[in-house]
Amino acid sequence: AQRVTQPEKLLSVFKGAPVELKCNYSYSGSPELFWYVQYSRQRLQLLLRHISRESIKGFTADLNKGETSFHLKKPFAQEEDSAMYYCALGGYQKVTFGTGTKLQVIP
Amino acid sequence: DGGITQSPKYLFRKEGQNVTLSCEQNLNHDAMYWYRQDPGQGLRLIYYSQIVNDFQKGDIAEGYSVSREKKESFPLTVTSAQKNPTAFYLCASSIAGSPRGELFFGEGSRLTVL
Repeated sequence: AQRVTQPEKLLSVFKGAPVELKCNYSYSGSPELFWYVQYSRQRLQLLLRHISRESIKGFTADLNKGETSFHLKKPFAQEEDSAMYYCALGGYQKVTFGTGTKLQVIP
Repeated sequence: DGGITQSPKYLFRKEGQNVTLSCEQNLNHDAMYWYRQDPGQGLRLIYYSQIVNDFQKGDIAEGYSVSREKKESFPLTVTSAQKNPTAFYLCASSIAGSPRGELFFGEGSRLTVL
């Protein structure tokens, strides 16, 4: 079975503060991890994927196989980062999502 | 303009009625998915299809049915057997064999049972 856990439903931070959205996964095979973002009134879209090791909009995420985690980080939050964030696990043929974390950046 | 189109955006249904949600893509993607999005529960997989004329049940398939007669179309029927059908439904597609999880989503369909 594959499972994704996002422990925080809501994360509120002040503008300029660091952000860390937590994600843990359970999967017996070799996982492919992703972060998706849903801005207000927009469709869900891919933010970044672990295999690319890229930084998108200042966000990074490192896959830690030992801790089975894929936390999303950004050093300085901006107001436009306010959105719903979903961690996702690509397993055999299907993709499993976490319950999501709403990030609220306070001006 | 390439992408995924879901229709209708809003749908109201009386209890006991079946309803079909449309999902069409012109991205030439092999794989298509249906998710249900509820507050606090994230996205839960209903059905998915990796190829035409083949589909598999996801985690919450009971009360739903699908078909995949054409590559570009993956309609979802919410049957009267679905006990709690009021929800936001998302359709997605991906290139089969691509990094698993690179999904492209539609704008969603909100179903309300009266």
